[in-house]
Amino acid sequence: DQQVKQNSPSLSVQEGRISILNCDYTNSMFDYFLWYKKYPAEGPTFLISISSIKDKNEDGRFTVFLNKSAKHLSLHIVPSQPGDSAVYFCAASGTGKLIFGQGTTLQVKP
Amino acid sequence: NAGVTQTPKFRVLKTGQSMTLLCAQDMNHEYMYWYRQDPGMGLRLIHYSVGEGTTAKGEVPDGYNVSRLKKQNFLLGLESAAPSQTSVYFCASRTGVRRNEQFFGPGTRLTVL
Repeated sequence: DQQVKQNSPSLSVQEGRISILNCDYTNSMFDYFLWYKKYPAEGPTFLISISSIKDKNEDGRFTVFLNKSAKHLSLHIVPSQPGDSAVYFCAASGTGKLIFGQGTTLQVKP
Repeated sequence: NAGVTQTPKFRVLKTGQSMTLLCAQDMNHEYMYWYRQDPGMGLRLIHYSVGEGTTAKGEVPDGYNVSRLKKQNFLLGLESAAPSQTSVYFCASRTGVRRNEQFFGPGTRLTVL
């Protein structure tokens, strides 16, 4: 039973356009959500987070949206850059431990 | 600061062999975690520790043991390796503040033949 799901294994966008990565969760007890970015042969690095009391958090080119009623969050990258090409994991927390989605591989084409 | 480091980076084992993966962090973090990453599965929690001398089971603990004798180190042991343990292993740490993010090491790629 996967509590956090990223249903799109991959996404390809043109440089300068918007990238939208999606994540769904099933456990209504989750109250904190994070996005991590992972390059090949490296560990994941923290990108952005959002608390369940908010519906939006923005940091530069990255914005995370949370829709609690739909149990859905999304990461928007605007504008997308070739250096953004990586695997993106969403993660959810309700007890301090993180539950990760399967990851979405983003390719940004020059 | 080196952050979170993992030793070794790569290892090949034969079925039944044992080994220990070492994780070290220099950020004085209370919490430490061991994950495994498999294709299409994301990161799954194996064991974790909320402080020196404490350990607890995560989502997929079978076949692994851990120890946290020093605050800065978290060891993951495989007593009798199996091909199903072929994976990339990541260690992470964070402060005691629950909503602080976890910092990850670079990973150890383990192959069990």
